[in-house]
Amino acid sequence: QKEVEQDPGPLSVPEGAIVSLNCTYSNSAFQYFMWYRQYSRKGPELLMYTYSSGNKEDGRFTAQVDKSSKYISLFIRDSQPSDSATYLCAMSGGSSNTGKLIFGQGTTLQVKP
Amino acid sequence: DTEVTQTPKHLVMGMTNKKSLKCEQHMGHRAMYWYKQKAKKPPELMFVYSYEKLSINESVPSRFSPECPNSSLLNLHLHALQPEDSALYLCASSQRGGDGELFFGEGSRLTVL
Repeated sequence: QKEVEQDPGPLSVPEGAIVSLNCTYSNSAFQYFMWYRQYSRKGPELLMYTYSSGNKEDGRFTAQVDKSSKYISLFIRDSQPSDSATYLCAMSGGSSNTGKLIFGQGTTLQVKP
Repeated sequence: DTEVTQTPKHLVMGMTNKKSLKCEQHMGHRAMYWYKQKAKKPPELMFVYSYEKLSINESVPSRFSPECPNSSLLNLHLHALQPEDSALYLCASSQRGGDGELFFGEGSRLTVL
């Protein structure tokens, strides 16, 4: 079993839809949770960063962390064609934390005009 | 635009060549990373430098040799690579290491013939 599970998709939605992306994980020591967006042939761009449990909102993006369920989510409101990309969840933490990120496999999102 | 700058953007080399990838950041970050990413896969950690000292080597073959000349610069020296080493090489930095909030460069796309 992988430490972080993420449905690779692809996920296709119409413009304006609400998108929900999710990851589950097995290591209860994880404390730092991130979502990255990666366009084709580009480096990952940090979208959201959350420490421990709770919600964080930034414009059209909301990140949720539920440590009791070992489940994190990213919601995109009013999705745009420019949101079409691969979304990677990542996490780190624990007593021997070195900053090493554990990534999910990435979900490919296509937003159709 | 990312604040982590990588050069060159593209590199083609033969198996007997010696080349280097370069990375620079001016965010005052004290941890720097090399990742390797194959198509449709998440990034894989190769090396971590923390306060200019190598802190993690993820059992990377010796044909990859990292160097951190100062807190702003990170190099990856390449020698006697194999075609399977062709990938996107990503540099990242974080404020201290250990908090997981990594910022990636755009990557250097390497092709080994």
